[in-house]
Amino acid sequence: EVQLVESGGGLVQPGRSLRLSCAASGFTFDDYAMHWVRQAPGKGLEWVSGISWNSGSIGYADSVKGRFTISRDNAKNSLYLQMNSLRAEDTALYYCAKDKGWMIRGNFDYWGQGTLVTVSS
Amino acid sequence: QSALTQPRSVSGSPGQSVTISCTGTSSDVGGYNYVSWYQQHPGKAPKLMIYDVSKRPSGVPDRFSGSKSGNTASLTISGLQAEDEADYYCCSYAGSHGVFGGGTKLTVL
Repeated sequence: EVQLVESGGGLVQPGRSLRLSCAASGFTFDDYAMHWVRQAPGKGLEWVSGISWNSGSIGYADSVKGRFTISRDNAKNSLYLQMNSLRAEDTALYYCAKDKGWMIRGNFDYWGQGTLVTVSS
Repeated sequence: QSALTQPRSVSGSPGQSVTISCTGTSSDVGGYNYVSWYQQHPGKAPKLMIYDVSKRPSGVPDRFSGSKSGNTASLTISGLQAEDEADYYCCSYAGSHGVFGGGTKLTVL
């Protein structure tokens, strides 16, 4: 059974940093691209970042480019999101999602339950 | 990176069919056959319903179908059931990144 478990969310002040983690199990992690998708309270889904199976292809939404860094450790079956210079508008539930393929395509076939990030002073 | 355009809401009676549109540009929906659709019930994680424009993952009823014409993709749900009431989001690959639609609330009358 595929499982994606996010961690690392919490309350953080504007301008500070936070690192999210996603522990994957139940599939061959290094065969698939992975993504972070967020959802602000009461709002729609927003793709944040994606990374191909071997980290050779990485993409970011314009809203986080230059502030967030996605990475993966295939030996640890883990996905990460380093979030710097956080803003109030980054407040959201952050989902880890698995792609159906090894490249970034946006077909998210499995999702975690999300970790909540709240940016507030 | 502009969001794809979806109607804010659609509705239908049980047994009827509804279609949700998703309009983008030649840089996303029109440029690639990587459009997906997600169903989200309140408080739950999204669920993949359609990928690669028209393919259904195993376990998704064949009442759900997808298509694309030009820069607009569509999700059609036939034989509406009460449990189909949810938010629906489209997503398209846009060359190194993905972009979602704003979401459509489906109400089953």
